[in-house]
Amino acid sequence: KQEVTQIPAALSVPEGENLVLNCSFTDSAIYNLQWFRQDPGKGLTSLLLIQSSQREQTSGRLNASLDKSSGRSTLYIAASQPGDSATYLCVICAVIVVSYGKLTFGQGTILTVHP
Amino acid sequence: DAMVIQNPRYQVTQFGKPVTLSCSQTLNHNVMYWYQQKSSQAPKLLFHYYDKDFNNEADTPDNFQSRRPNTSFCFLDIRSPGLGDAAMYLCATLQRGSPNEQFFGPGTRLTVL
Repeated sequence: KQEVTQIPAALSVPEGENLVLNCSFTDSAIYNLQWFRQDPGKGLTSLLLIQSSQREQTSGRLNASLDKSSGRSTLYIAASQPGDSATYLCVICAVIVVSYGKLTFGQGTILTVHP
Repeated sequence: DAMVIQNPRYQVTQFGKPVTLSCSQTLNHNVMYWYQQKSSQAPKLLFHYYDKDFNNEADTPDNFQSRRPNTSFCFLDIRSPGLGDAAMYLCATLQRGSPNEQFFGPGTRLTVL
């Protein structure tokens, strides 16, 4: 059974800092890995998706890496801003064996960026 | 442009009074999902449709039903809401095939009085 762990559970940083959110998973047979952002009381916004065959993806100030062999992914946020404050979820899509992709969610990292 | 739309965004119902939540998509994806998310927890998959094929998760209560009348729409029916059903309900879509990316709607916050 796939398990996804995110460390730290919460992080508070001053504006402008570069930061790293960590995600580990127990089963390397993944199809893809997504990082989502969730604002309080809102839905999930996809930030980056890394396919199983890829090592990293970048979008603006965000960079996500994937190391299947060690079961790890990191989300790097450069020059953090107060608007980055949210919960960040690491989500694994298992290898497709039936008609859909089963998602396994981490518990999230609550990020607070203070001015 | 909104791709996965959920209505209403906030729903208040009474204990035991049936309620229906709506999801629509403009992506023409063949898979649609319903998730339940309670406070400070990860989303929990209730069921999904692959085209017209309905797939229920083993631990989804019978109180929860779903309908997908066409590709664009999917409904979540809660026949007799209990206090424990108060949660955020998230709809998501996916088109099978690479990259198999799920797109989530903004959610419906359900309150049960």
